Amino acid sequence: KAGVTQTPRYLIKTRGQQVTLSCSPISGHRSVSWYQQTPGQGLQFLFEYFSETQRNKGNFPGRFSGRQFSNSRSEMNVSTLELGDSALYLCASSQQSGPVSGQFFGPGTRLTVL
Amino acid sequence: AQTVTQSQPEMSVQEAETVTLSCTYDTSESDYYLFWYKQPPSRQMILVIRQEAYKQQNATENRFSVNFQKAAKSFSLKISDSQLGDAAMYFCAYRSPNTGNQFYFGTGTSLTVIP
Repeated sequence: KAGVTQTPRYLIKTRGQQVTLSCSPISGHRSVSWYQQTPGQGLQFLFEYFSETQRNKGNFPGRFSGRQFSNSRSEMNVSTLELGDSALYLCASSQQSGPVSGQFFGPGTRLTVL
Repeated sequence: AQTVTQSQPEMSVQEAETVTLSCTYDTSESDYYLFWYKQPPSRQMILVIRQEAYKQQNATENRFSVNFQKAAKSFSLKISDSQLGDAAMYFCAYRSPNTGNQFYFGTGTSLTVIP
């Protein structure tokens, strides 16, 4: 099975712009979660989607949004970019939304905001 | 919110030796799951091992094992016969159905393997 894929791998934007990141989960996985990873804050949970519905949301401003499509692919959007949004954005998928499922992570999208 | 603490930012181990990475967590839940993830320099996170809180037996995956002390809220990872490929950042993570199943990660421990 192919692993979790994320596109693009690298992105450079300027303040005020918006960006959309894409994640394709492992085939058969219906749960997709997004994380922001920074040196100072570590890994922080953004949100989780399961069967096109947002199941959980972390403590991030409304500029961060996401969605999931019927094929389980997910997109994350950040509007009005700020310098502090520079980070590695990781997507993870699992078969179900339950707690026992370990998550399989993608390689991440490195976002740099100038 | 649940907190996961990894008190060792950096650790090193000689090749073929054993190393233990520490993790403690804070929760009032009784039903939860604990995980160790590895993030090599290539940046792709890999699940190393998981432990269900209701199981008293410590989980083992080949050279990786955990010491789960539920009362002490401690979940350490032991790596035996360390190999150069074990060099990575290791993250401890907590997940519970009562907290929306989201993962709470520790800040990570950077492991160096010395040849």
